[in-house]
Amino acid sequence: ETGVTQSPTHLIKTRGQQVTLRCSSQSGHNTVSWYQQALGQGPQFIFQYYREEENGRGNFPPRFSGLQFPNYSSELNVNALELDDSALYLCASSFNGQPQHFGDGTRLSIL
Amino acid sequence: GEDVEQSLFLSVREGDSSVINCTYTDSSSTYLYWYKQEPGAGLQLLTYIFSNMDMKQDQRLTVLLNKKDKHLSLRIADTQTGDSAIYFCAETLPQNNAGNMLTFGGGTRLMVKP
Repeated sequence: ETGVTQSPTHLIKTRGQQVTLRCSSQSGHNTVSWYQQALGQGPQFIFQYYREEENGRGNFPPRFSGLQFPNYSSELNVNALELDDSALYLCASSFNGQPQHFGDGTRLSIL
Repeated sequence: GEDVEQSLFLSVREGDSSVINCTYTDSSSTYLYWYKQEPGAGLQLLTYIFSNMDMKQDQRLTVLLNKKDKHLSLRIADTQTGDSAIYFCAETLPQNNAGNMLTFGGGTRLMVKP
């Protein structure tokens, strides 16, 4: 059974740029959630995708957007990057409300 | 509202038991979770408990839930140096059958001394 995989592992961008992060869900899972974890803090929920539709959103601005594909993989897109967007971005997958399993995250640094 | 709180730090000696505590505010929580995060890694699901249960045991891990006080604890028996990590408590609220969003505490750093 393949777990949740995220790419890239590390990324450096500058303010104003755009970034796309990718996530492959665990085999058999149909729901993907994205979280932002700033240094020294707990993860904060960004949004969740189920059957290719957004299924709930946390307190993040519209420049954070996402997609889910028919194979349940997902992308997180962030436009107009700001310094405060520097964080570990975590993807989690699950099946119909069962516990979420996390990938190792993408470390995004904004210069 | 949603708020999950944990103490920041816990230090124990190898072989002792560790107890990590968590309080939450939303009484409609359905499931409560414990995740472990090692340096540079993602979150590993340790265990979870349904809100109508009082206790769950899984090998060295024991979860206790006091729903009246909205208090959750994780006890690790015979703590080992490999248990050193940050432990996160998280709750979910009823969303729909598709999935539940997690609200995390700030994490408790567990240090195990040899």
